[in-house]
Amino acid sequence: QKEVEQNSGPLSVPEGAIASLNCTYSDRGSQSFFWYRQYSGKSPELIMSIYSNGDKEDGRFTAQLNKASQYVSLLIRDSQPSDSATYLCAVAHSGGYQKVTFGTGTKLQVIP
Amino acid sequence: GAVVSQHPSRVICKSGTSVKIECRSLDFQATTMFWYRQFPKQSLMLMATSNEGSKATYEQGVEKDKFLINHASLTLSTLTVTSAHPEDSSFYICSASPYTGGNSPLHFGNGTRLTVT
Repeated sequence: QKEVEQNSGPLSVPEGAIASLNCTYSDRGSQSFFWYRQYSGKSPELIMSIYSNGDKEDGRFTAQLNKASQYVSLLIRDSQPSDSATYLCAVAHSGGYQKVTFGTGTKLQVIP
Repeated sequence: GAVVSQHPSRVICKSGTSVKIECRSLDFQATTMFWYRQFPKQSLMLMATSNEGSKATYEQGVEKDKFLINHASLTLSTLTVTSAHPEDSSFYICSASPYTGGNSPLHFGNGTRLTVT
């Protein structure tokens, strides 16, 4: 069974700090990895995508992928109260259609 | 770009009635759309894959006769919850991607909050 695991949190960080969100996945054939942000009662919003080992930076966000360890992370620098949300890790598997498995999400709370 | 529109955003219906939810890709064509369901404090669970011009593919445990999917055009997929019951109350979200390759992220509609009384 394909699984994506995240710590449910809540992860509390002070405003301006770095928030580190982690995710592990079980399917070694996974090819694409995504981080979504979901505010309460809203649908997910794509934050980052990463496809190869290493780091990928976009503004205050950095995604890190280590396929050997089956690990993907998201760093949020200079955390803001508006970053408070649930962050979903999503993994797309090999073989055609864009079937994505989501983790249960990590709730992030940025304390002003 | 890659905007997915979903309607209605919220619906309340009585037990035993049917509800139709529409999902549209506004600025791209989508041969495939995906329907997810999310219960409170849980993650998104894929219900079915909607294929334009052919039958939908349902995930294990999802009743195809209860959740009717129609993907009649390249920009519209509909999900009909038939004979809804209170346990069907959930947040239903559709998604699509402008590309069919594995490296293309999904873009989500705004979701439909269904409450069955």
